[in-house]
Amino acid sequence: DAMVIQNPRYQVTQFGKPVTLSCSQTLNHNVMYWYQQKSSQAPKLLFHYYDKDFNNEADTPDNFQSRRPNTSFCFLDIRSPGLGDAAMYLCATSKRGMNTEAFFGQGTRLTVV
Amino acid sequence: GENVEQHPSTLSVQEGDSAVIKCTYSDSASNYFPWYKQELGKRPQLIIDIRSNVGEKKDQRIAVTLNKTAKHFSLHITETQPEDSAVYFCAARGNTDKLIFGTGTRLQVFP
Repeated sequence: DAMVIQNPRYQVTQFGKPVTLSCSQTLNHNVMYWYQQKSSQAPKLLFHYYDKDFNNEADTPDNFQSRRPNTSFCFLDIRSPGLGDAAMYLCATSKRGMNTEAFFGQGTRLTVV
Repeated sequence: GENVEQHPSTLSVQEGDSAVIKCTYSDSASNYFPWYKQELGKRPQLIIDIRSNVGEKKDQRIAVTLNKTAKHFSLHITETQPEDSAVYFCAARGNTDKLIFGTGTRLQVFP
């Protein structure tokens, strides 16, 4: 009964080779988030959507792009991964409103070789 | 922009003692304050949350307090157990939907 599913769980990519991480949800939530979490650090918000309204954080590198083709799916594209992009990438969803919990996927651990 | 500060960064307590973690936030429009527990290699797990119209909330050994005037909220864990050992994150969300995390506290409970 997984509600937020991230694929793959582990991804190894070559330096400079584009990679896409995916997230799907069965909750019909209108807000979706992408976070980057490096070892021993807090999750860092990269961007979020309210429906198709895309909100990029000011310090998110241009190397990171995202797509949300429909309510259920959201993708994180890293155009030219560098060694510094190795991290856990977490997707989360929530319903807009002040009383709403955010639900996290299990994350994708990205390794860049 | 929005910012959430969290202290301490590490906390060691003896089993059975209490642990307190404190956070401050910058965005006065923040209205939702969750706390997450994260074990190594796993996703953050919500343990308790509080809304801006409430000053305190308790769930068994865990409690959270909120002071909106001071833009400050705290997590209190009583009767700590070794399985409480993990990294704890506070977070804050306002009208922009952004959920911003604090810097994290590594809690170690020694038997």
